Amino acid sequence: EAGVAQSPRYKIIEKRQSVAFWCNPISGHATLYWYQQILGQGPKLLIQFQNNGVVDDSQLPKDRFSAERLKGVDSTLKIQPAKLEDSAVYLCASGGLSRVGETQYFGPGTRLLVL
Amino acid sequence: QKEVEQDPGPLSVPEGAIVSLNCTYSNSAFQYFMWYRQYSRKGPELLMYTYSSGNKEDGRFTAQVDKSSKYISLFIRDSQPSDSATYLCALSGASSASKIIFGSGTRLSIRP
Repeated sequence: EAGVAQSPRYKIIEKRQSVAFWCNPISGHATLYWYQQILGQGPKLLIQFQNNGVVDDSQLPKDRFSAERLKGVDSTLKIQPAKLEDSAVYLCASGGLSRVGETQYFGPGTRLLVL
Repeated sequence: QKEVEQDPGPLSVPEGAIVSLNCTYSNSAFQYFMWYRQYSRKGPELLMYTYSSGNKEDGRFTAQVDKSSKYISLFIRDSQPSDSATYLCALSGASSASKIIFGSGTRLSIRP
C-alpha cells in the first residue's frame, strides 16, 4: 500500500513570498489533515478535510494560509505572504472514516525555511 | 498551562535498558491516548493507542494511562539502537470532532 505523498520535500523562500505544498493521501482515505510542526514542538493541526469539505480550520491563520481539496483526493496548502515564523515542517496525514488515531498516517513532510 | 506536557529530553540510555517516557495533561475530557514515533526527517508513525485508563502491551512496548493522575506512560523493554527517535504523546476527546493534541516530543537515544 502506497503511503501519503508530499512535495516538495524542502523549500526555501524569502519573507513575503508565496509557497504551495501538495499532498496525495492514501487511496480511499476520506479524511485529510494538514499539520504544522515547528522545531522542538509537536504537530499542530491547521486544517482537517472530510472528503472535500472542511471539518476544522480553527487554527489556520486564514489571513495568509489557504487550503483546498479538490475532488476529495489531493490537497494543496498555500501560504501568501510568508513570514519568518512560518518556518516549520508541514505534515499531511490521511485517515479512514473511523477517525481514531490508529487510522491516521503521516507523510514525510515539507520542510519550509523562510529567510 | 499547556494542555499536554512532555519532557523534551534528550534521553540517552544503553542498549537493553528499560525506557520510560511520560506525559501529563490537564483536560479530563481526553479519552484516547496515543504514542507516535518520529524518526529524523520523517513523519510521525502511530505506535500505540489506548482508550480510557489501563495498560496495553504490544511486543516490547507497553502503554499505561492513569486518568486519575492525568498521567500517561510508554515503556520500552530491551531497547534497541533502532528505537532512537522522538516519541510524541497525543491525546483526543471521545467526540468524532475532537482534535488530536500532541505533546512536544521526547528525543530518545539508545547507545549500542
